[in-house]
Amino acid sequence: GAVVSQHPSWVICKSGTSVKIECRSLDFQATTMFWYRQFPKQSLMLMATSNEGSKATYEQGVEKDKFLINHASLTLSTLTVTSAHPEDSSFYICSASRQGGTEAFFGQGTRLTVV
Amino acid sequence: AQSVAQPEDQVNVAEGNPLTVKCTYSVSGNPYLFWYVQYPNRGLQFLLKYITGDNLVKGSYGFEAEFNKSQTSFHLKKPSALVSDSALYFCAVRGRSNFGNEKLTFGTGTRLTIIP
Repeated sequence: GAVVSQHPSWVICKSGTSVKIECRSLDFQATTMFWYRQFPKQSLMLMATSNEGSKATYEQGVEKDKFLINHASLTLSTLTVTSAHPEDSSFYICSASRQGGTEAFFGQGTRLTVV
Repeated sequence: AQSVAQPEDQVNVAEGNPLTVKCTYSVSGNPYLFWYVQYPNRGLQFLLKYITGDNLVKGSYGFEAEFNKSQTSFHLKKPSALVSDSALYFCAVRGRSNFGNEKLTFGTGTRLTIIP
């Protein structure tokens, strides 16, 4: 149990286009989902926290208009990188937790390359 | 604000030897502590957690971790290393963000290499 699926695993897009990444909890209801960004050989940086049915809360320094997060249901959250630029190239990882749960479960990550 | 320190970027261990990956933390209140493992181009896999109870926590793949409150440490251990244990390991502590949400704060990671 507690499987989180992230799609796509990798994506290449042109500068100026938008990319949507999906994060699904397959066998549990995720009241809270988290989006992270990981640079090569570095730790995970929390970008935002989303609770089902409400607006995401963004960490300091993260542009909410650039990284649009939607958590429309208890099993799906999406991250849209708008008007992507090469500096947005990174590894994006989502995680989800149950209400009252103590640990978070992670998706397999999405490698975004903007050319 | 909470923080996690993993003082070693790289740990090399011979196969069959015991391994330790170090972690110290800082958090207000009782700590919720976690270890995760990451393989190349993959997300994080949960290994084990400490919430309360016994200071020695057992987890997946034969790993265990010892919670030491006085030293604010949560070192990851395994009695006999396998080559397949080679990966990137993250220690994390759960606390609250500036917005009041629960959030995980990660250490910088330790790359563990098991030498055949």
